[in-house]
Amino acid sequence: AQTVTQSQPEMSVQEAETVTLSCTYDTSESNYYLFWYKQPPSRQMILVIRQEAYKQQNATENRFSVNFQKAAKSFSLKISDSQLGDTAMYFCAFKAGNQFYFGTGTSLTVIP
Amino acid sequence: EPEVTQTPSHQVTQMGQEVILRCVPISNHLYFYWYRQILGQKVEFLVSFYNNEISEKSEIFDDQFSVERPDGSNFTLKIRSTKLEDSAMYFCASSEVSELNYGYTFGSGTRLTVV
Repeated sequence: AQTVTQSQPEMSVQEAETVTLSCTYDTSESNYYLFWYKQPPSRQMILVIRQEAYKQQNATENRFSVNFQKAAKSFSLKISDSQLGDTAMYFCAFKAGNQFYFGTGTSLTVIP
Repeated sequence: EPEVTQTPSHQVTQMGQEVILRCVPISNHLYFYWYRQILGQKVEFLVSFYNNEISEKSEIFDDQFSVERPDGSNFTLKIRSTKLEDSAMYFCASSEVSELNYGYTFGSGTRLTVV
């Protein structure tokens, strides 16, 4: 069974500061991808970043980066220089085959 | 940027009624999906659709549910005889390819409230 766990239901960060959202997963698959999706109040699910499980190098997209620890099955998201527009629900997701498995989400609030 | 459009944004229906949730995927996408999110819970896979047929479905997607692509642009989810526990946010998604590394484009969701 595939499971994704986000242990932080809510987090807050001061504008311009850095915050890390944690995610762990469990799978027996050898070939998979990991994603972070952002769901702002507009409710659109927006892809933030993706990581190939076979790559050791951590993915980076501008202010967003991941810390991928394959042995520990950990996939945390770091947001640097937080902006007010980063306020959203963040979902960690694992993709095996053609199906996503999502965590329960972390609600992030950026405080001005 | 191309978007997946879902209508309505919010639907209230009486228990036992049928509802149809509508989605317009991105025009050149070939793979279509429905996910749902019960309030406070995780987003769950319902069904995937390719080449005018269901390619995969979850245990949640029982006989109460059906999907259809009635024309070249719409992708619908029908829920027959709705139950209170069907209240959730329903997300449509589409993708150009089914490759593992490809993220979907999600719509903004339809909030279904069954009363």
